[in-house]
Amino acid sequence: QLQLQESGPGLVKPSETLSLTCSVSGGSMSSYIYYWGWIRQTPGKRLEWIGSIFYSGYTYYNPSLKSRVALSVDTSKNQFSLKLSSVTAADTAVYFCATDYYDSSASYRYFDYWGQGSLVTVSS
Amino acid sequence: SYELTQPPSVSVSPGQTASITCSGDKLGNKYVCWYQQKPGQSPVLVIYEDTKRPSGISERFSGSNSGNTATLTISGTQATDEADYYCQAWDSGTVVFGGGTKLTVL
Repeated sequence: QLQLQESGPGLVKPSETLSLTCSVSGGSMSSYIYYWGWIRQTPGKRLEWIGSIFYSGYTYYNPSLKSRVALSVDTSKNQFSLKLSSVTAADTAVYFCATDYYDSSASYRYFDYWGQGSLVTVSS
Repeated sequence: SYELTQPPSVSVSPGQTASITCSGDKLGNKYVCWYQQKPGQSPVLVIYEDTKRPSGISERFSGSNSGNTATLTISGTQATDEADYYCQAWDSGTVVFGGGTKLTVL
């Protein structure tokens, strides 16, 4: 069974870049048909998809965040990463990584394995 | 942008059936999935492709989707079902989540 674990700083200053890494265990990322996604949950409990990446590097981004987001994958380490630039207090959230099953023919996707979440606070 | 609307809260008595709705324009033309999230935990997928249950999810959970409304139904509701529930769909290249519904088992 796949397990995902987020890691990274819990505090980021305004205008700086938030960086998180998700480590995958229980299988090789490149052997799955999954995309690998990032979702955040605001203090008000609203869920927001940030983006997803395939092991080959192909990405989908939330259009509302696309200008500030960069996803990357390192299959040798079985990890994928998120960078969110120019953060503000509105980016304070719990950040989850998750497996993202995407069916392009039927046009749907869902997230079935989730990490435990990493709280990131944006504050000076 | 596409929006999914859920009632903020639903209450149900133990043993009864709970229905949680998710509304969106022509939602029946899209696939919907549902997540359960208990306090301090990560979301858990309970329904995908409108009606399918992942392995390990109780048969008490079922889903439907038609017209503008998708519905998550929990039969024989138990105290352990008390949680937040979120619907989710894929529209025009982006993932959309509903605002969440808090299910209270009284």
